[in-house]
Amino acid sequence: EVQLVESGGGLVQPGGSLRLSCAASGFTFSSYVMHWVRQAPGKGLEYVSAISSNGGTTYYANSVKGRFTISRDNSKNTLYLQMGSLRAEDMAVYYCRGVVGTTDCWGQGTLVTVSS
Amino acid sequence: DVVMTQSPLSLPVTLGQPASISCSSSQSLVHSDGNTYLNWFQQRPGQSPRRLIYKVSNRDSGVPDRFSGSGSGTDFTLKISRVEAEDVGVYYCMQGTHWEWTFGQGTKVEIK
Repeated sequence: EVQLVESGGGLVQPGGSLRLSCAASGFTFSSYVMHWVRQAPGKGLEYVSAISSNGGTTYYANSVKGRFTISRDNSKNTLYLQMGSLRAEDMAVYYCRGVVGTTDCWGQGTLVTVSS
Repeated sequence: DVVMTQSPLSLPVTLGQPASISCSSSQSLVHSDGNTYLNWFQQRPGQSPRRLIYKVSNRDSGVPDRFSGSGSGTDFTLKISRVEAEDVGVYYCMQGTHWEWTFGQGTKVEIK
């Protein structure tokens, strides 16, 4: 069974940093593009970032470019999102997403709260 | 960026009746590879999103056949042939043709 489990969310002050992780299981992680999508409280979905299967190509939304870094460790089947210079508008549930063949899988999400 | 516009944003429906959600994009979603990467997602209250439809009209495994997708170019539709209680939630269209991939604002489906 394809499974994605996010961790690393929490409370951080404006301007601070946080690293999210997404542990993958049930599929050959190193073969698939992986994604981060976020959802601010009571709001819609927003694409944040994506990374190619070997990590060589990355994509960022304009709203996070230069502040967030997506990466992956295929030996550990884990996806990361390093977030820096955090702002109030970055507060959201962050979801990890993978499309494995024709199967679309999302984690349960991890909440990032940006507040002083 | 490609702007995705959904209508209506709120959709009260009667159980057993059909429902339809429209989604339009600010530019064509036909990719250079010939595919149209338009997806539909359902998000039930308190849950993660779940994809229902990919590439305009392909139903995901386990999705009831009362859900169908159609459209081309810049105009797309999600139809529910007979709404059931479990269909309550927010529905999003999403384009995966042009980076930044973008979602519509969401359509909240509720039972009258």
